[in-house]
Amino acid sequence: QQKVQQSPESLSVPEGGMASLNCTSSDRNFQYFWWYRQHSGEGPKALMSIFSDGDKKEGRFTAHLNKASLHVSLHIRDSQPSDSALYFCAASEGYNQGKLIFGQGTKLSIKP
Amino acid sequence: GALVYQYPRRTICKSGTSMRMECQAVGFQATSVAWYRQSPQKTFELIALSTVNSAIKYEQNFTQEKFPISHPNLSFSSMTVLNAYLEDRGLYLCGAVLGGYEQYFGPGTRLTVL
Repeated sequence: QQKVQQSPESLSVPEGGMASLNCTSSDRNFQYFWWYRQHSGEGPKALMSIFSDGDKKEGRFTAHLNKASLHVSLHIRDSQPSDSALYFCAASEGYNQGKLIFGQGTKLSIKP
Repeated sequence: GALVYQYPRRTICKSGTSMRMECQAVGFQATSVAWYRQSPQKTFELIALSTVNSAIKYEQNFTQEKFPISHPNLSFSSMTVLNAYLEDRGLYLCGAVLGGYEQYFGPGTRLTVL
């Protein structure tokens, strides 16, 4: 069973709109979360991490974590065409663990 | 800034042969290096985690006999895919951990097996 589930599988958002991505861990041992973005032909790049309940905002990106339900979301406001990419949620057992378990990814397309 | 290089970027090998790939952290010392394989369908599999002064830990379905890893210092790691077959194809990514916290990925080595 996939320990980290992402939804939706793909998402299309108009330029300037809000994109919302979801992720849930099915293993209570994995409750430290990261969001990564991967453009075609590149390795994944970390967008942000979130370890505590509530919201964390960095520029146009806001992550929200609910530890009770092990659900984390990523919201991108004012979406730009350059935001079109694969987005991965990754979870670990501790904030200082090198072992990351990735979700299946969400393909985000921003339409001009 | 923290950069991770991987070499080669692409490689093609014949079925049953082996190939070696390298990972170099530039601008920082990696306390750990994790090797992943990203399938053609874009899903990730963790192969192994190599931490300084600790034994290399391989995940289920991956073995040292098949994917031997060398981690001689805090900036460099290499992994070999021995006896590669079709199911080994994919993008091999190394993630270098900075300060035991942030993980930086290289661009990957894309392996094609003929």
